[in-house]
Amino acid sequence: DVKVTQSSRYLVKRTGEKVFLECVQDMDHENMFWYRQDPGLGLRLIYFSYDVKMKEKGDIPEGYSVSREKKERFSLILESASTNQTSMYLCASRETGTASTGANVLTFGAGSRLTVL
Amino acid sequence: AQKVTQAQTEISVVEKEDVTLDCVYETRDTTYYLFWYKQPPSGELVFLIRRNSFDEQNEISGRYSWNFQKSTSSFNFTITASQVVDSAVYFCATNTGGFKTIFGAGTRLFVKA
Repeated sequence: DVKVTQSSRYLVKRTGEKVFLECVQDMDHENMFWYRQDPGLGLRLIYFSYDVKMKEKGDIPEGYSVSREKKERFSLILESASTNQTSMYLCASRETGTASTGANVLTFGAGSRLTVL
Repeated sequence: AQKVTQAQTEISVVEKEDVTLDCVYETRDTTYYLFWYKQPPSGELVFLIRRNSFDEQNEISGRYSWNFQKSTSSFNFTITASQVVDSAVYFCATNTGGFKTIFGAGTRLFVKA
């Protein structure tokens, strides 16, 4: 069964702490994504990576960074957590299609619910 | 710019009722893809369906059906004879061929026994 695994389901951190959210996929997908999910706002793209060591900003990158040293692993980093980063974080992966990448389906992890106090 | 609007924030139905989840999209592109995902209480979004902009044929899969109408920029999702297991948040999304998939705000469906 193919999977995207997010190592932490629930985290509680304090303001100013550095936070790492880890995501691993076993499908050999080239593309990986980090989304943030908030009530009434749906999913918003934070960062994505189209290949190892390659990363691009999404729509709301401020306050976040990412790392992709290996194809299967994509990490989201909050350098100094703030209360407005309390949210559900969803990792997803997708293969790169030959016809149109946009047609390809996202496979999601179960999410990491982060609370910043 | 792309945009997806799911005007229904929450819907509550009784088991066996039919329910339609609305989705209206905006895009300037002629080629685009539309998706529906389901997010059960476990949290993981699960893919349900994908349509491309050149295929307006409606689709039925068991109790699920989708109505794609380019004239009204809508891609509505109907569950027939709803069941408690259908309780979830449902997201409509669009992609015009790149890396960014744009999601709607989601519709939370409650199906009561």
